[in-house]
Amino acid sequence: DTGVSQNPRHKITKRGQNVTFRCDPISEHNRLYWYRQTLGQGPEFLTYFQNEAQLEKSRLLSDRFSAERPKGSFSTLEIQRTEQGDSAMYLCASSFRSTSTTGELFFGEGSRLTVL
Amino acid sequence: KQEVTQIPAALSVPEGENLVLNCSFTDSAIYNLQWFRQDPGKGLTSLLLIQSSQREQTSGRLNASLDKSSGRSTLYIAASQPGDSATYLCAVPFKAAGNKLTFGGGTRVLVKP
Repeated sequence: DTGVSQNPRHKITKRGQNVTFRCDPISEHNRLYWYRQTLGQGPEFLTYFQNEAQLEKSRLLSDRFSAERPKGSFSTLEIQRTEQGDSAMYLCASSFRSTSTTGELFFGEGSRLTVL
Repeated sequence: KQEVTQIPAALSVPEGENLVLNCSFTDSAIYNLQWFRQDPGKGLTSLLLIQSSQREQTSGRLNASLDKSSGRSTLYIAASQPGDSATYLCAVPFKAAGNKLTFGGGTRVLVKP
């Protein structure tokens, strides 16, 4: 399978626990994005990487959220001290940016977080 | 503020009818526009990407148009089938907002057999 892969697909946790999601992008893609989607809404941007550099973080992203892409390949999104409001689908996407325009984004199947 | 709007939020049509889905955006300075399909509980599947220099893009029964000056895109799905039932999302990378996509809220489509 050469698409974007996300794990785990579903995570149920208790409030206050930490959770980590992993994303493996399409292998030749240099950009990786994280989005969050709640029921009935469009995805909201969280952060993105070009290779291993984190180039932008949304102001919506609290200090409890951290993302890494240590070798410019897979990425992890960690949420510390989870709250019920963190319950959402976390989507990862990747693209290849060559020179100027933003390339087509390809999304994974998402990781659904339920905080009890 | 750069925003993307999709109206209506939901649409129901009988099988065989053509679908017309609308997307509007507030700033014409965009890199491209992308249409996605999302099935319940699933990720997003890219349908079409229209570059800012293009007026339309076609793939099979799907045709998307782009009018940057009026801030609009339309996705046409010909001869709809029950399998087309899903949520359709449009997304735009505004030049002023960097390289991230801003999404509309989606249009939930039901094609009745």
